[in-house]
Amino acid sequence: DQQVKQNSPSLSVQEGRISILNCDYTNSMFDYFLWYKKYPAEGPTFLISISSIKDKNEDGRFTVFLNKSAKHLSLHIVPSQPGDSAVYFCAARADYKLSFGAGTTVTVRA
Amino acid sequence: GAGVSQSPSNKVTEKGKDVELRCDPISGHTALYWYRQSLGQGLEFLIYFQGNSAPDKSGLPSDRFSAERTGGSVSTLTIQRTQQEDSAVYLCASSFSGGGTNYNEQFFGPGTRLTVL
Repeated sequence: DQQVKQNSPSLSVQEGRISILNCDYTNSMFDYFLWYKKYPAEGPTFLISISSIKDKNEDGRFTVFLNKSAKHLSLHIVPSQPGDSAVYFCAARADYKLSFGAGTTVTVRA
Repeated sequence: GAGVSQSPSNKVTEKGKDVELRCDPISGHTALYWYRQSLGQGLEFLIYFQGNSAPDKSGLPSDRFSAERTGGSVSTLTIQRTQQEDSAVYLCASSFSGGGTNYNEQFFGPGTRLTVL
């Protein structure tokens, strides 16, 4: 029973352009949504979060949008940089538990 | 300061053997989590420790899996009679607390890659 889904396993984008990562969820009890970034052989690192009472949160080049009615969130990275190449996991919190999507591998082309 | 550390980084074992995976959380973090990431999958919640409260073991896939946290710090995940489907990366995370009105960032260790032959 996958409560958080990332339907795009990979994304390739040119340096300087926008990267848009998408995530869908099913559990209306989630109160926080997060994005984590993971490099090979390292643990995931926290990138940005958004409370369920907000619809947008921005931190530098990263913006997360939440559409509760559609149970959908997205991460925008602009401009994309080579160091952004990594796996991005969408996650959602209910109480203290995080449910993760399967991840989207982003490749930023020079 | 030091982050979450895990050992070993890689473990290869034979089917039927027992394995122990260790996690050292960030000092002062009261919440500790174990996750598992199988190939092509997202992180799967296994178990949660919060202070001295009884752990939430609801994510453990079978009774072959167990975990303990000694002295509110170091945690050990034990898998008995390993099976090939146990092969995965096992990740540990810690945070200041689990729930609450704000999100307390979970800091992840680098993981232990377990391969069961």
